[in-house]
Amino acid sequence: ETGVTQSPTHLIKTRGQQVTLRCSSQSGHNTVSWYQQALGQGPQFIFQYYREEENGRGNFPPRFSGLQFPNYSSELNVNALELDDSALYLCASSLLGAPDTEAFFGQGTRLTVV
Amino acid sequence: EDKVVQSPLSLVVHEGDTVTLNCSYEVTNFRSLLWYKQEKKAPTFLFMLTSSGIEKKSGRLSSILDKKELFSILNITATQTGDSAIYLCAVVPSRGSTLGRLYFGRGTQLTVWP
Repeated sequence: ETGVTQSPTHLIKTRGQQVTLRCSSQSGHNTVSWYQQALGQGPQFIFQYYREEENGRGNFPPRFSGLQFPNYSSELNVNALELDDSALYLCASSLLGAPDTEAFFGQGTRLTVV
Repeated sequence: EDKVVQSPLSLVVHEGDTVTLNCSYEVTNFRSLLWYKQEKKAPTFLFMLTSSGIEKKSGRLSSILDKKELFSILNITATQTGDSAIYLCAVVPSRGSTLGRLYFGRGTQLTVWP
C-alpha cells in the first residue's frame, strides 16, 4: 500500500453542484498529479501540481481546478458538475527532479453525478 | 497526438495458463514505460522500462521493451486467480514536456478462472 491517501472514497453529487476531492501525497514527494478514469477507460491526465503551482494540464475544461498546499497535499475542484464527470478520480504523487521513478497512486475517489 | 494502445482489451484464461499482454505507443520524446496492476481502485506499480531488450522480472511476471518497434509486452506465467485485474500500460514523455504526466492505454482486463 502506498502512502498516498485520498478522501472521500465515494461521493454522490447532483448535476450542477461543485465538488472538492483531497489527496495527501507520499512522504518526500513534491508533485501531485490528478487523473480521471471513466468506466472501461485508462486514466486521463487532468493536471499536475509542483511547488503549489500548476505544472501541466491535460484536455480538461477550466471548471476543473486544483490547489497544492505547502505540505504538498492537493485538492481537485470541479464546478458545474456534469453527468460525464462520473468517474474514478486518482491522485498520484511523485518526486520531480529525481531519476526516473514511478508515480504512486492513491485509492481514488469514486464520484457519481446524478 | 500521443497515443498508447493496449491489446487485447479483455482476456479470460484458466489457472496455470501463460498470458502475454501488449502495449504499443506513439509518444513524442519517449522517456520510460510503466506497467501497473489495477485490482479495484489504486493502480499498483509493476515495472518501469527505459531500455530496449532488457527484461524486467518479478516472480511470474516479466516485461520487455522494444524502442525501435515502439511496443512492450507483459508476460504472466502460471496464472493464478489473484492475477485477475486490469493491467495498465503508461508512457512517460521526456523532460522538457509536461514532466511526470503519464499517458495510459485503456488497459487489459484479465480474468483467471480456477
